[in-house]
Amino acid sequence: ETGVTQSPTHLIKTRGQQVTLRCSSQSGHNTVSWYQQALGQGPQFIFQYYREEENGRGNFPPRFSGLQFPNYSSELNVNALELDDSALYLCASSLYGARGTDTQYFGPGTRLTVL
Amino acid sequence: AQSVTQLGSHVSVSEGALVLLRCNYSSSVPPYLFWYVQYPNQGLQLLLKYTSAATLVKGINGFEAEFKKSETSFHLTKPSAHMSDAAEYFCAVRGGGTSYGKLTFGQGTILTVHP
Repeated sequence: ETGVTQSPTHLIKTRGQQVTLRCSSQSGHNTVSWYQQALGQGPQFIFQYYREEENGRGNFPPRFSGLQFPNYSSELNVNALELDDSALYLCASSLYGARGTDTQYFGPGTRLTVL
Repeated sequence: AQSVTQLGSHVSVSEGALVLLRCNYSSSVPPYLFWYVQYPNQGLQLLLKYTSAATLVKGINGFEAEFKKSETSFHLTKPSAHMSDAAEYFCAVRGGGTSYGKLTFGQGTILTVHP
């Protein structure tokens, strides 16, 4: 069984640029959630994708957007990067709707630094 | 709305001593509760979860947690700490309704284990 993978591991961008982060779901999962973890804080929910549609969103501006593909992999796109976007971005996959088994399993994260 | 409060941002114990990490939650629906562990520069690993079955939940690496509805608590314990337990621990509650997929995390507790 393949776990959740994310790429790239680290990324450095400058303010105003755009970035795309990628996530591959764990085998058998159909839902992907994205979280932002700033230094010294707990993860904050950005959004979730199920059946290629956004299925819930946290308190993040529209410049944070995503995609889910037919193979359940996902992308997180951030436009007009700001210094405060520097964080660890975590992807989690789960099996939506299966009561008791819709636990979210996390990938290793992508560390984004905005200069 | 859901929220989680972890009491104590840092906990220090001696190897072999009891580990107690505190978590209190607030939830407008019957909660699903989780404990995750994060090692430096890594993603989150699931330790255990409460899904309305048994109130005492056993997890990996000898950890367990007890759900107490009257106290709105879900404290994590381990009878005997090991050096390898040193990490940051996060308590999380899963939302209901339109926030079904959203995990709300606490601020985290850094566990230090002394020889």
